[in-house]
Amino acid sequence: GQQVMQIPQYQHVQEGEDFTTYCNSSTTLSNIQWYKQRPGGHPVFLIQLVKSGEVKKQKRLTFQFGEAKKNSSLHITATQTTDVGTYFCAGGDAGGTSYGKLTFGQGTILTVHP
Amino acid sequence: GAGVSQTPSNKVTEKGKYVELRCDPISGHTALYWYRQSLGQGPEFLIYFQGTGAADDSGLPNDRFFAVRPEGSVSTLKIQRTERGDSAVYLCASSLYPAGAPGHYYNEQFFGPGTRLTVL
Repeated sequence: GQQVMQIPQYQHVQEGEDFTTYCNSSTTLSNIQWYKQRPGGHPVFLIQLVKSGEVKKQKRLTFQFGEAKKNSSLHITATQTTDVGTYFCAGGDAGGTSYGKLTFGQGTILTVHP
Repeated sequence: GAGVSQTPSNKVTEKGKYVELRCDPISGHTALYWYRQSLGQGPEFLIYFQGTGAADDSGLPNDRFFAVRPEGSVSTLKIQRTERGDSAVYLCASSLYPAGAPGHYYNEQFFGPGTRLTVL
């Protein structure tokens, strides 16, 4: 079955440093979504990418979808303490039989030291 | 309500018992999803509904797990003969359309706060 791998598992940064997490799928994706989960909270949607090579920005966050639609990345510029949490990617299998199923990566836990 | 709600927030049960977990999605959302999240892991897909029907139940681990959405709104996840390995946070999410549906983009999933299930 489809597998979605995320690296790194943990990332500790000083406030103001940049942060990047990478997501790789074993299969071609129809779309990829990114979520943020604060400690003790539930996943909150950040963005969805659907096109090959797509790049989207949200303030200090930059999201990329690979040309082959098998990988993606999230980059945060100049991290702040409010960025603390776990970042998940979740992909839909382009070869799957249903549209709704998303496979989540295991997440990257971001810690920001002030 | 404004968001997805789940009840109960916590459920402690004994091995072998039956439990029901309830999800109230955002009004008007056609798609409803159930996930299971263990500590340190990402949400694990269980099942999703499009309307009243289960469009994909490939994530249900075995026949002890069953879910319904009889009127296309509220959903109940039912677990029979619970085992200690079933302990996890069960998350429900809803979206206006299923993620990846052609012609429908930005199908963000809105998650509920989850039900923490503990099987003793």
